[in-house]
Amino acid sequence: SQELEQSPQSLIVQEGKNLTINCTSSKTLYGLYWYKQKYGEGLIFLMMLQKGGEEKSHEKITAKLDEKKQQSSLHITASQPSHAGIYLCGADNYGQNFVFGPGTRLSVLP
Amino acid sequence: ETGVTQSPTHLIKTRGQQVTLRCSSQSGHNTVSWYQQALGQGPQFIFQYYREEENGRGNFPPRFSGLQFPNYSSELNVNALELDDSALYLCASSLGGELAGSYEQYFGPGTRLTVT
Repeated sequence: SQELEQSPQSLIVQEGKNLTINCTSSKTLYGLYWYKQKYGEGLIFLMMLQKGGEEKSHEKITAKLDEKKQQSSLHITASQPSHAGIYLCGADNYGQNFVFGPGTRLSVLP
Repeated sequence: ETGVTQSPTHLIKTRGQQVTLRCSSQSGHNTVSWYQQALGQGPQFIFQYYREEENGRGNFPPRFSGLQFPNYSSELNVNALELDDSALYLCASSLGGELAGSYEQYFGPGTRLTVT
């Protein structure tokens, strides 16, 4: 079964700083999804990556999938308090189900 | 276009009781997935329904069951509640039936279940 790990577990940054969150899979990824969750609330879809080497950006958030399709990174440029929350990576587990990583808790200090 | 809604928002039950959680999918979506998220953890896949049939299941016991209705809304039923069932229950809707490639999911706000 596919497993996802995320690092770091938690992150505290000063507003305006850049940051990177990593997601590593135990198997080759069919599709890698990034979500954001406010504490105790539903998940907000951010981006989906499918091809090795693919990179997508939305506003100040950029996500990349490595060539071997086993690792993805989420980069936030010039962080703002509105970026605070839990970032989760998720993956299609070879058509059996969908798995999530444990999440990275981000705090942005004004 | 309406988003995914869930009811109730919060629920407190006693060990051994039964509970039903409800989810209305986003307009136009025919697939609903249910997840359990314990505090401090990522969501765990319970099962998925496509066109009223179960279309995949995670590692959850049979006391977790579900239904999907012709309008694609869904219910999650949990029998014989245990303390460890306390969690945030999330449903997500998507368009498509095959598990592979159909995970551009839109999540509801969740139902917080507390079992005492």
